[in-house]
Amino acid sequence: AQRVTQPEKLLSVFKGAPVELKCNYSYSGSPELFWYVQYSRQRLQLLLRHISRESIKGFTADLNKGETSFHLKKPFAQEEDSAMYYCALNEDSGAGSYQLTFGKGTKLSVIP
Amino acid sequence: EAQVTQNPRYLITVTGKKLTVTCSQNMNHEYMSWYRQDPGLGLRQIYYSMNVEVTDKGDVPEGYKVSRKEKRNFPLILESPSPNQTSLYFCASSSPFRGSYGYTFGSGTRLTVV
Repeated sequence: AQRVTQPEKLLSVFKGAPVELKCNYSYSGSPELFWYVQYSRQRLQLLLRHISRESIKGFTADLNKGETSFHLKKPFAQEEDSAMYYCALNEDSGAGSYQLTFGKGTKLSVIP
Repeated sequence: EAQVTQNPRYLITVTGKKLTVTCSQNMNHEYMSWYRQDPGLGLRQIYYSMNVEVTDKGDVPEGYKVSRKEKRNFPLILESPSPNQTSLYFCASSSPFRGSYGYTFGSGTRLTVV
């Protein structure tokens, strides 16, 4: 069963429009969630962690335990935001060790 | 600088010729992992290692081997590469605990098997 779901493979928005990249998770414990970004087939980079409650490059993400979601939002998209975005869940893999499980990713395309 | 280093960045090889992709991290992380990335399929985990001499299969381990003799290194071995292993490969490392900073990824290795 897929534990991290990103329902959109591709999301296109116009520059200046709001962006919301969806992520839903399935986890019985207390979740730890991350967003990673990958620009043009470069390495994946950590964008933000839910426990930090920070805003990076104008992006924010709020953990909603009731809806089991961790959607990534930005009020005004910029062309440089075009990238692949991966949502990830830090799961207990046994004996107190944790591993990240990734969603399949959403490609964001910002149209000038 | 804290980093994960993969080599080579690009590799073209022929079917059946054994190859090794190296991965090294300088953060004293216990956990290391290999992924392949293919269009439309996202990241798929090949193998992972919780610590020295402890390795386990991920989702797509067939055709690959790994070893973890030292904490910093986690090479990926393709004993007899085939064209369906043409892909972009990433190595990652982390501390496998709650509250961690997640994974640090290498720059990737683009492998083409002809």
